[in-house]
Amino acid sequence: AQSVAQPEDQVNVAEGNPLTVKCTYSVSGNPYLFWYVQYPNRGLQFLLKYITGDNLVKGSYGFEAEFNKSQTSFHLKKPSALVSDSALYFCAVRDIEGTYKYIFGTGTRLKVLA
Amino acid sequence: EAQVTQNPRYLITVTGKKLTVTCSQNMNHEYMSWYRQDPGLGLRQIYYSMNVEVTDKGDVPEGYKVSRKEKRNFPLILESPSPNQTSLYFCASMSGRPTDTQYFGPGTRLTVL
Repeated sequence: AQSVAQPEDQVNVAEGNPLTVKCTYSVSGNPYLFWYVQYPNRGLQFLLKYITGDNLVKGSYGFEAEFNKSQTSFHLKKPSALVSDSALYFCAVRDIEGTYKYIFGTGTRLKVLA
Repeated sequence: EAQVTQNPRYLITVTGKKLTVTCSQNMNHEYMSWYRQDPGLGLRQIYYSMNVEVTDKGDVPEGYKVSRKEKRNFPLILESPSPNQTSLYFCASMSGRPTDTQYFGPGTRLTVL
């Protein structure tokens, strides 16, 4: 069965420091992987995705993520955090061979401190 | 403007009173889906639809119904709501291309007393 784990409920980082939000996944075949961000009282917004190809994926707002097949991970990163990056981040997976069922992680709240 | 709209945005109701949350998209997307968001549980998929008259269960379909009679609309129906369906609900849509991403609506906060 598909699953996604976001092991940290909250990540605190100082403004200007690099940030990492962790995600590991489990699928039976090859995955499509996604990161979404949710700002307060808003719907989810797409950040980036891994479909195939280069393991380092660049997305919106300076975020990037690295697909690591051997560790089944897809960690979200940003070289220099902004206070405005504070939000709730969700990792999601879809089995490329399977149906259009999506599995989301439980979310990680990122708090960037000024 | 390309968007997914949901109505109502907020709803307080009582146990057993049937309700419908509407979802509409203007992007001519084939795929639509409903999720619920609960603290500590993240987003869980309720139902999804690959096209008109084609629907399938997600991970938590119990207590919900959906229909897809038109491409743009995908209403979520709670025939007999219960307090454990108190949640934040999101509708999403996506083109039929498997590599595309989902576009989410603004959410509907439902409270069942």
